[in-house]
Amino acid sequence: DAGVTQSPTHLIKTRGQQVTLRCSPKSGHDTVSWYQQALGQGPQFIFQYYEEEERQRGNFPDRFSGHQFPNYSSELNVNALLLGDSALYLCASSPRDFNQPQHFGDGTRLSIL
Amino acid sequence: SQQGEEDPQALSIQEGENATMNCSYKTSINNLQWYRQNSGRGLVHLILIRSNEREKHSGRLRVTLDTSKKSSSLLITASRAADTASYFCATDASTQGGSEKLVFGKGTKLTVNP
Repeated sequence: DAGVTQSPTHLIKTRGQQVTLRCSPKSGHDTVSWYQQALGQGPQFIFQYYEEEERQRGNFPDRFSGHQFPNYSSELNVNALLLGDSALYLCASSPRDFNQPQHFGDGTRLSIL
Repeated sequence: SQQGEEDPQALSIQEGENATMNCSYKTSINNLQWYRQNSGRGLVHLILIRSNEREKHSGRLRVTLDTSKKSSSLLITASRAADTASYFCATDASTQGGSEKLVFGKGTKLTVNP
């Protein structure tokens, strides 16, 4: 049973470019959440998708956008990249039930030059 | 903003010793979860404790929750070198069904020396 998979594992971009990160949830999960983790910090919630709609959003600018597909997979898009966007981007999936843990992928390490 | 605050920020012990990490949070919660992260990789879920539970065990892990003090602790008994990692607590205050956003602390970096 495959867990949460993310691609790519590493990415290097320059300021002003845009990037798309991808996530496939764990089998049986229909909810996908995205987190940003800066070096030495805990993950920060970006947004969550359920039934192909953004359900909750953290304190991130509109440059961060996402999408969920009918097969529950998801994309995170970041436009006009800034140096401060360098971080580990984590995808987590969960079923739509109370008191269920979120399962995380290994993340995408994004470096902005 | 981060709700959970882990204490201590770093902990170094010898193999075989017990490790205790604490977490404090600010708002009402549905549950509190502990995760482990090795060297900047993904987070591995360790244990979830619901707001109406006071203590939970899983193998060498013991978690307590005190909702009146808004605090939790994670105890790892008989530690091993392989337990070396960062440990995070995360709170879930979901209200509409399903796990919503998790709010993480900054983590405790545990080093277990052989």
